[in-house]
Amino acid sequence: DAGITQSPRHKVTETGTPVTLRCHQTENHRYMYWYRQDPGHGLRLIHYSYGVKDTDKGEVSDGYSVSRSKTEDFLLTLESATSSQTSVYFCAISESPGSNEQFFGPGTRLTVL
Amino acid sequence: RKEVEQDPGPFNVPEGATVAFNCTYSNSASQSFFWYRQDCRKEPKLLMSVYSSGNEDGRFTAQLNRASQYISLLIRDSKLSDSATYLCVVWRGDMRFGAGTRLTVKP
Repeated sequence: DAGITQSPRHKVTETGTPVTLRCHQTENHRYMYWYRQDPGHGLRLIHYSYGVKDTDKGEVSDGYSVSRSKTEDFLLTLESATSSQTSVYFCAISESPGSNEQFFGPGTRLTVL
Repeated sequence: RKEVEQDPGPFNVPEGATVAFNCTYSNSASQSFFWYRQDCRKEPKLLMSVYSSGNEDGRFTAQLNRASQYISLLIRDSKLSDSATYLCVVWRGDMRFGAGTRLTVKP
């Protein structure tokens, strides 16, 4: 299995609080992604990174920010969590976009009350 | 309309059965195609890429019809361990996932 970890694995927080999720990889892959998965929607891309300090928005980026200061770490921040951000968040990595496989982390289950 | 559409199922089949899943995508600019498998409360994992000529990996066969924008996955001789959700995925600059089709294989 690809070396991807996510922390925390579970989190319960209250509306309006900031939350940061961490993704850590040991594969030295250039590309990293944050997705959310909700029933009936499949996985949707929030943000992605194509290198250190290089990030871009995905399909559902509103309310989220990201940072990547090292190749191995990609952080997702909810500046002020809302109940609509209750979801399962997956980090993924790939050597390149497109035809290459994406490897996923184990996921973080976030509940915003 | 979602960009990638799948029948959500569930499909409940006996061991040894053959089952087929279908997927349609709306953006003709899509360039790469995949089937991922996701076990309950786990992360998705690549099952197989899908090529225009069709491809097979053991009991699994994937087909792509670009003209109809249609992708299929056929599983022959189903095993209990095949029980999972199967995600249809297309790439056109970023990955777009279907909501998944749930399969339960019963003894």
